[in-house]
Formats: sequence, structure tokens, C-alpha cells
Amino acid sequence: EAGVAQSPRYKIIEKRQSVAFWCNPISGHATLYWYQQILGQGPKLLIQFQNNGVVDDSQLPKDRFSAERLKGVDSTLKIQPAKLEDSAVYLCASSFDRGQYNEQFFGPGTRLTVL
Amino acid sequence: AQSVTQLDSHVSVSEGTPVLLRCNYSSSYSPSLFWYVQHPNKGLQLLLKYTSAATLVKGINGFEAEFKKSETSFHLTKPSAHMSDAAEYFCVVSDSQGGSEKLVFGKGTKLTVNP
Repeated sequence: EAGVAQSPRYKIIEKRQSVAFWCNPISGHATLYWYQQILGQGPKLLIQFQNNGVVDDSQLPKDRFSAERLKGVDSTLKIQPAKLEDSAVYLCASSFDRGQYNEQFFGPGTRLTVL
Repeated sequence: AQSVTQLDSHVSVSEGTPVLLRCNYSSSYSPSLFWYVQHPNKGLQLLLKYTSAATLVKGINGFEAEFKKSETSFHLTKPSAHMSDAAEYFCVVSDSQGGSEKLVFGKGTKLTVNP
């Protein structure tokens, strides 16, 4: 079974530039998550989709971050404009909804450096 | 809100000696707790989970954790460390408030295994 795919793996941009990350979840997984992991910290949930609808985006900085999941499959996370403090690893995860607990499977992440 | 505190940011052991990674949780109800491992440049992987069944939970690669309600702890142990265990370990609690299930990560414990 193929895992969660993310691209690019690394990105370096200057502050105030825009950047986009792509995620393709495991086939059949209805729920997709984007996390931000700042160096030295645990991942923090940014946004959760179920199919193509947003379930939770309470921690997404909506003035500069946006995400979409058209057709309920792959997803794009965008930052516009980027700030220095956005330097982090952006992780995508997906889960198959089957009841009480749905294990999340994580992709390798995209490491963003903002200069 | 649910939270976890990992008591050690770094743990160093010798190969073949026991591993203990400590985690305390804060929860207003019976929590679901997890341990994830993150190897360099790889995605997060679920080690084990506690979801109100047996309090001693066995995971992959010889790891286990014990849920102790009286101590609000969920420490991760392994009898004998292997070089391949060197990684970052995250204690995680599931927060189901607001209708969506959200994982809340601790800050992580970096495990070093010395030959």
C-alpha cells in the first residue's frame, strides 16, 4: 500500500514570497490533515478535511494560510505572504474513518525555510 | 483541553540497556493516548495506542507503555535499547472536543543510543 505522498520535500523562499505544498493521501482515506512542526516542537494541527469539507481550521492563520481539497482526494496548502516564523516542516496525514479511533498515517513532510 | 507533557527533552542510553521515556497527561475525561516515533527525514509512525482497554499496551519494536490514571502518566519503556531506536518520540493525546478528533502532541523526547 502506498503511503502519504508530499511534495516538494524541501523549499527555500524569501519572506513575503508565496509557497504551496501538495499532499496525496492514502487511497480511500476520507480524512486529511495538515500539521506544522516548528523545530524543537511537536506537530500542531493546522487544518482537517473530511472528504472535501473543512472539519477544523481553528489553528490555521487564515490571513496568510489557505488550504483546499478539491474532489476530496489530494490537497494543497498555501502560504502567502510567508514570514520568517513560518519556517517549519509541514506534515500531511490521512486516516480511514472506521469508528472510534482512526489511525493517522503521516507523509515525510515538506521542510520550509524562509529567509 | 487535553494536553501532554514530556518530562525529558533528551534521553541518552547505552545499547542493550532499558529505555524509559516519560509522559504525563492532562484530561478532563478518559483519554486516548499514543506514542509516535519520528526517524530523521522520515514520517511519523505510530508505536502504540491506549484507548481504554488494557492499561499495559504493547507496541511495535518491543516498546510498551502503561496507562496509570492515578499518576496521570503514560510512560514508554523498552527492556533493551537498539541502535535503530535512536529517534524523536512524541507522546500524543486525542482531543475530541468540538466534534472532531484532534491529536495534540507533546514537545518530543530525543533518544540517543550509544554503542
